[in-house]
Amino acid sequence: DAGVTQSPTHLIKTRGQQVTLRCSPKSGHDTVSWYQQALGQGPQFIFQYYEEEERQRGNFPDRFSGHQFPNYSSELNVNALLLGDSALYLCASSRGQGARDYGYTFGSGTRLTVV
Amino acid sequence: DAKTTQPNSMESNEEEPVHLPCNHSTISGTDYIHWYRQLPSQGPEYVIHGLTSNVNNRMASLAIAEDRKSSTLILHRATLRDAAVYYCILRGSNYKLTFGKGTLLTVNP
Repeated sequence: DAGVTQSPTHLIKTRGQQVTLRCSPKSGHDTVSWYQQALGQGPQFIFQYYEEEERQRGNFPDRFSGHQFPNYSSELNVNALLLGDSALYLCASSRGQGARDYGYTFGSGTRLTVV
Repeated sequence: DAKTTQPNSMESNEEEPVHLPCNHSTISGTDYIHWYRQLPSQGPEYVIHGLTSNVNNRMASLAIAEDRKSSTLILHRATLRDAAVYYCILRGSNYKLTFGKGTLLTVNP
């Protein structure tokens, strides 16, 4: 049973560019959350998508946006990239927003480097 | 968001039990206690979660204090593969996980 799949695994972008990261949730999961993890820090919540709508949002600027598709997969878009956006971007899926059964399943992440 | 406090690091020997403590004195009645662990270059991995009662699964046990202001993750027999950063997180009604810095567990052979 495939878990959470994220693509690409690594990405290098230039300041000011835009980037799109993709996530396929675990089979049977309908909710996707995105997290940003800077080096040496714990992951920081960006937002959560459920029923194709953004349901919760962390303290991230509007440059960070997302989308959820009818098949529950999701995209994270970041516009006007800054050097500080360099991080590991993690996607987590769950059955329901609260993940009351078996918690959230995380992917291995996309390593974004902004130069 | 309610906060958790964990030791920065702990050490254990292989095949011995490990007790990882977590304090969460500002926990609210609806907060679930979640534990995740993260190995280098991987995403966090779900370990266990609970609300009020102690919980057991194939990976670990979670002991929750009666007043819910603290909890302990118990690995019954540590292996080298258990070496990771362990995060104790309170998941509130807003469904987001607020990670701290976690506890770096080192397992000695």
